[in-house]
Amino acid sequence: AQKVTQAQTEISVVEKEDVTLDCVYETRDTTYYLFWYKQPPSGELVFLIRRNSFDEQNEISGRYSWNFQKSTSSFNFTITASQVVDSAVYFCALSEAGWGSQGNLIFGKGTKLSVKP
Amino acid sequence: NAGVTQTPKFRILKIGQSMTLQCTQDMNHNYMYWYRQDPGMGLKLIYYSVGAGITDKGEVPNGYNVSRSTTEDFPLRLELAAPSQTSVYFCASSSGTSGYGQFFGPGTRLTVL
Repeated sequence: AQKVTQAQTEISVVEKEDVTLDCVYETRDTTYYLFWYKQPPSGELVFLIRRNSFDEQNEISGRYSWNFQKSTSSFNFTITASQVVDSAVYFCALSEAGWGSQGNLIFGKGTKLSVKP
Repeated sequence: NAGVTQTPKFRILKIGQSMTLQCTQDMNHNYMYWYRQDPGMGLKLIYYSVGAGITDKGEVPNGYNVSRSTTEDFPLRLELAAPSQTSVYFCASSSGTSGYGQFFGPGTRLTVL
């Protein structure tokens, strides 16, 4: 069965600290996609990244980086030099691409990140 | 290009009342989805549609109905509102399955008292 686990419910850091948000997934499909979304206090969902199951290259975008490891079924997200504006709930999500999949996203419960000045 | 729009933004219902949550997208996407987000939880799929006239149940469909008469619109109907339906509802659309990614609307916050 498909599942996404974000074991960290809440994380609190001081500005400029680095922080890593963990994501572990389960799927029987060999082709799938992983996503990270940000939900700021205003409530909307902001797309951050999409990664397919055949691309294990790490990605860096400014202060954000993602580490995808199929061997451990993990897709972790690191924010370097955190800022107060990074305070939000972050969701990891899985979309299976096997036969019969509908393309819906399976979400983890989210990690609430608080960055204090 | 407005993307995905949802109305209303907020609504309070009494137990037993009915209402329709509206969702419209202007990206000509075939795939549309309704999710609900309960406090401290991720989003769960209620219903989805792969094109006009085609809908199917997701993980938590009980108490809801949908229709898809046009590509643009995907309304979600609550027939007899219950406190358990208090949640934030998100509509999303996609041009294809899985890897295409989904565009989300701003959400509707519904409270049933």
